[in-house]
Amino acid sequence: GEDVEQSLFLSVREGDSSVINCTYTDSSSTYLYWYKQEPGAGLQLLTYIFSNMDMKQDQRLTVLLNKKDKHLSLRIADTQTGDSAIYFCAGGGNTGKLIFGQGTTLQVKP
Amino acid sequence: EAQVTQNPRYLITVTGKKLTVTCSQNMNHEYMSWYRQDPGLGLRQIYYSMNVEVTDKGDVPEGYKVSRKEKRNFPLILESPSPNQTSLYFCASMRGRDTQYFGPGTRLTVL
Repeated sequence: GEDVEQSLFLSVREGDSSVINCTYTDSSSTYLYWYKQEPGAGLQLLTYIFSNMDMKQDQRLTVLLNKKDKHLSLRIADTQTGDSAIYFCAGGGNTGKLIFGQGTTLQVKP
Repeated sequence: EAQVTQNPRYLITVTGKKLTVTCSQNMNHEYMSWYRQDPGLGLRQIYYSMNVEVTDKGDVPEGYKVSRKEKRNFPLILESPSPNQTSLYFCASMRGRDTQYFGPGTRLTVL
């Protein structure tokens, strides 16, 4: 069935760039999303990319999509301690169904 | 203020005792969805609804029911809860692709 995989943990120093990776199996995913979850809170949509795009930039966030390898990444420039959270990628089509990865915990060290 | 509200936020119950978790949104969104979050598994979609009276199964619908009689409300019903339904539950609403709101979560424990 459809699957979305993420590495579970990433640790970076404040000011460095963070790159969180995600692979997916469902080639019919039309939209790919990135969410942030802070402790004790719900998810917050950070950004999304259409499957016909290769890259999307939104302030400190850059999303790269390699459709051939079914690989998605989220780059956070100038990572701050406030970026410490769990990051989820998810894929979905026009049906409304969404498949999430397991989440990557980002730890930002001062 | 745009928001998705869930009630209750915390619930401890016993096996077999029917319960309902309410979800309400004030943004007139057509799409609503329920997820459960378990350690190491991320979020898994339970049910979703593209509009009033339209609901569809997500990845893990077994043991759950939903209804969408009006646009703002999307309750999650556990007719006979079991311990494997102990989890953190999130409701969400969406319009388009860039407007999504998640509720604060309901932590359910089934003994």
